[in-house]
Amino acid sequence: ILNVEQSPQSLHVQEGDSTNFTCSFPSSNFYALHWYRWETAKSPEALFVMTLNGDEKKKGRISATLNTKEGYSYLYIKGSQPEDSATYLCAPLRGSGGYQKVTFGTGTKLQVIP
Amino acid sequence: DSGVTQTPKHLITATGQRVTLRCSPRSGDLSVYWYQQSLDQGLQFLIQYYNGEERAKGNILERFSAQQFPDLHSELNLSSLELGDSALYFCASSVGWHTEAFFGQGTRLTVV
Repeated sequence: ILNVEQSPQSLHVQEGDSTNFTCSFPSSNFYALHWYRWETAKSPEALFVMTLNGDEKKKGRISATLNTKEGYSYLYIKGSQPEDSATYLCAPLRGSGGYQKVTFGTGTKLQVIP
Repeated sequence: DSGVTQTPKHLITATGQRVTLRCSPRSGDLSVYWYQQSLDQGLQFLIQYYNGEERAKGNILERFSAQQFPDLHSELNLSSLELGDSALYFCASSVGWHTEAFFGQGTRLTVV
């Protein structure tokens, strides 16, 4: 993996369905991974910061896992609601020596149909 | 309200001009990030400062520069503006450089 890739690019699910997305990133010089939720016409909202291999974070119905060795993170939404409709961005921080670079994925756009 | 304040909210200027965007981080946050969102692109990381020092640099053009002042507010300077610089510029702040970042509402720059 040379770049940050998120899949799928877009997703339509019915209200109540559970869903998950993938963020793939170069595993070298990994420092941390941020997940953001971005609603149209609003600012990105931080969901999770993950740093350790095997990390699992949870906020309400949303959870995330991290595999730094193979370079991927999954975001799960349980029982999707219309208010979950947004673009979900991952942003790995890579670098060393106190100097990191943030690269955003292109996002997964989720539409939850009532 | 994230606690991050960006001014101005909107800015319209002509090509070739120079503008300064301002960001006041949340109280206690030492790290400030700048991002650009153009119409046809996703969110692009520009630059990050931590406690006054540059910590990371992304795809920032040479015509752009930034700094973080002793009171921790930050300014992004954009010069020799081109039509393609029209974008939404976000500032975010966090306690450290690897902790949760909070975004401001953005400055909408239109270059005509």
